[in-house]
Amino acid sequence: ETGVTQTPRHLVMGMTNKKSLKCEQHLGHNAMYWYKQSAKKPLELMFVYSLEERVENNSVPSRFSPECPNSSHLFLHLHTLQPEDSALYLCASSHATKMTSGSGTDTQYFGPGTRLTVL
Amino acid sequence: AQSVTQLDSQVPVFEEAPVELRCNYSSSVSVYLFWYVQYPNQGLQLLLKYLSGSTLVESINGFEAEFNKSQTSFHLRKPSVHISDTAEYFCAVSISGGYQKVTFGTGTKLQVIP
Repeated sequence: ETGVTQTPRHLVMGMTNKKSLKCEQHLGHNAMYWYKQSAKKPLELMFVYSLEERVENNSVPSRFSPECPNSSHLFLHLHTLQPEDSALYLCASSHATKMTSGSGTDTQYFGPGTRLTVL
Repeated sequence: AQSVTQLDSQVPVFEEAPVELRCNYSSSVSVYLFWYVQYPNQGLQLLLKYLSGSTLVESINGFEAEFNKSQTSFHLRKPSVHISDTAEYFCAVSISGGYQKVTFGTGTKLQVIP
């Protein structure tokens, strides 16, 4: 596998279910991101991990819980979601030049996304 | 905080015709600018970026974008489009300092008509 992979590619869940999204990067990067992509809205940054430490939590509801066990893996745990949470969830990674003070020039590499539908 | 505006949500264009996808940004500090492309059922891929130096940047597949500081724009152009260019294009901006926080526009869907 190369680049950034995400599983599953499609997920349908009920409002009372618990599920997890998985992201894995094979690029040797040290920063990983979760984005939410909804129709006709800009990509919304949800979480950022740099060197396995969460450095950003963009006012995301607690029903979304991220986990970054190491620099190659990122999870998004989901529980008691709402129908408005249906969207494409994208994972990305980059080589952050500094742990907490990036240069702003690093390219982010995206996975194909998980299409989530909440019934 | 910075922001990005892509006024055109959809742009239909005939094959082999030229195209311009518009992007304007707002920021109180110097910015870095990116164009990403998203093909159907795929994630975003970097198309080109402006960091410094020449204001005209090019991609390997014939797209180019010009950074215009006075007009705060970073429009994407291609002189002759192909069917394979059908995709959604996202303009993005980032600033120096703090991890890599990128602000994306709402995207423009380019529909190339045979």
